[in-house]
Amino acid sequence: GAVVSQHPSWVICKSGTSVKIECRSLDFQATTMFWYRQFPKQSLMLMATSNEGSKATYEQGVEKDKFLINHASLTLSTLTVTSAHPEDSSFYICSAKLGGTGSELQYFGPGTRLTVT
Amino acid sequence: DQQVKQNSPSLSVQEGRISILNCDYTNSMFDYFLWYKKYPAEGPTFLISISSIKDKNEDGRFTVFLNKSAKHLSLHIVPSQPGDSAVYFCAARKTGANNLFFGTGTRLTVIP
Repeated sequence: GAVVSQHPSWVICKSGTSVKIECRSLDFQATTMFWYRQFPKQSLMLMATSNEGSKATYEQGVEKDKFLINHASLTLSTLTVTSAHPEDSSFYICSAKLGGTGSELQYFGPGTRLTVT
Repeated sequence: DQQVKQNSPSLSVQEGRISILNCDYTNSMFDYFLWYKKYPAEGPTFLISISSIKDKNEDGRFTVFLNKSAKHLSLHIVPSQPGDSAVYFCAARKTGANNLFFGTGTRLTVIP
């Protein structure tokens, strides 16, 4: 089956620094990748949709200047949390979609646990 | 605003019995529903889905039921096995849209 990896799996950083999280589709090309965030005891919340070669589409309430998304190739999307603060501590998970628009199959990465001290 | 809700955070079932996981939604524009299973330290994996034109979809031990008038769907696992122990997420999608709306998950424990 389709495999999506994320790196790092966990990261601790100091307040004010930036952190980059990578999402890779290992055995397929993904024109669309998604970034989700999950706070404890809450659901996965979509942050942004990342399309290869174009600007990401951010959900309402997500600061695009704080959460920089780059989808430079068909197998890699990156999320950079800039000037991280403790309230950014969360579980960040990406997914990659096979097929065209409307395809329901999203393959998820294992997630990245970010802790900002 | 939580558009997809899973009101039971946890469920324990004896091995061999039926597990029933419930999900409710509020947005009538949702027309495609999915269940994902998640093990610790792994991403969610797709389990089964159902289109709004159907009221039932079956795949082996897993059956999903959809009641559109009640905006309710359920996942039945029978017989339940210890390997089914995981967190199950319900998700919904609007026509032609990419993004999924997830519930908060239900942790299923199947007791041997």
